[in-house]
Parts: sequence; structure tokens; C-alpha cells
Amino acid sequence: GQNIDQPTEMTATEGAIVQINCTYQTSGFNGLFWYQQHAGEAPTFLSYNVLDGLEEKGRFSSFLSRSKGYSYLLLKELQMKDSASYLCAVNDYKLSFGAGTTVTVRA
Amino acid sequence: GAGVSQSPRYKVAKRGQDVALRCDPISGHVSLFWYQQALGQGPEFLTYFQNEAQLDKSGLPSDRFFAERPEGSVSTLKIQRTQQEDSAVYLCASSSEEGGTNYGYTFGSGTRLTVV
Repeated sequence: GQNIDQPTEMTATEGAIVQINCTYQTSGFNGLFWYQQHAGEAPTFLSYNVLDGLEEKGRFSSFLSRSKGYSYLLLKELQMKDSASYLCAVNDYKLSFGAGTTVTVRA
Repeated sequence: GAGVSQSPRYKVAKRGQDVALRCDPISGHVSLFWYQQALGQGPEFLTYFQNEAQLDKSGLPSDRFFAERPEGSVSTLKIQRTQQEDSAVYLCASSSEEGGTNYGYTFGSGTRLTVV
């Protein structure tokens, strides 16, 4: 079975940094995705980690430790438009998603 | 097309009614997935097509759910005798690669189904 856990909600101030953790226990693993989803919209791709370590893409970074079944998404220099749900998804040719973390950015 | 297109955007069905949801993937994309997303939850896998072949339908919740992709492009998800628990957003995603991909899947905006 698939078990993917992430916090339900996080709140941060504009300009700050937020780290969203994701732990997983899955029967298969080909990599881990992070998606951003605004209310009523499609999930959009943020990052993909296959190997252990940190991947940096502008204000967003994602980290993976396969031995610990752990990943995090780091959002720096938060902007109001970053208020959204962030989905962690394990890739085993099909995606298994966590329930999502709703991030609220306050002025 | 430029993205994955789904129609209708919203659908209200009376309990017991049959519905058909359409997905137009990116042209040439081999892989097509359907997911169901309940309110406040992450998407749940329903079924997977590689071209016209339905290779995995393990996520379909009951035999009331049926999906097809007869010519390897447009796909239709059909739900017969809808129930209230079928109310959710149905997402379609496509990929240019067979099976797992390093480049992510492109998702459509979904069809929000409400069964009353």
C-alpha cells in the first residue's frame, strides 16, 4: 500500500521561508514530485527528485532522502501568489499523492 | 493543443444519472491518466492508458466506472448510476513518455462533478 504524509496547513509571512515536509512508505519508488495547486485549478509541476540530495529552482528547492523516506519542499522569499496547496507525489509510473499542504501567505 | 483540455468544466447530476467526462490530452502524448480528487484531499489514481490500451484500471472504485480511449487520443470517463460519493473533481493528466516520466505530467483543470 501507499502511505504519504504531509502537514495539513502552514501559515507564513510574505518574504519569509517555509519548509513543507513529506514522509512516504510506498511499495514502489521511481522518484518524488512536488506540485502546486491553486483552488479550482490544475496541479502544476514544481520539482522532481530521483536521487538523494537537494534540487534548486529559483525560489523553490526540494530535497530527497530515499533511505529515510523523506522529502521537503522549501519556498523562499514568499509572495502572496504562493498561497496554494502543495502536493507531494511518489512516482511508481502512476502517481500516489499526499493529501496536500495548504500554505497561506500573510502580508 | 497547448494543454490538456477537459470538458465539461462543471457537471451537476441527479443521483442515478449517467455522466460522461471528456479529456483531450496534449497531441502525441502516449500516456493518459485519470485521477479523482475529493475536497481537501490529494488526487487518487483511477486508471492508465498507453495509447489506446488500458493497462491499469485498479483504481476504479466500482464497476459503475468505465474509461476508454479508442483511438489513442481523446479519452472518456463514464460513470453509471451516479451516487453522492462520486462527487469530486476528476483530473486527467498526460505524458509524452510511456509509464514513469522524469518530466512530470501535464494535468487538465478537471471536471467538478456534483451529484445531488
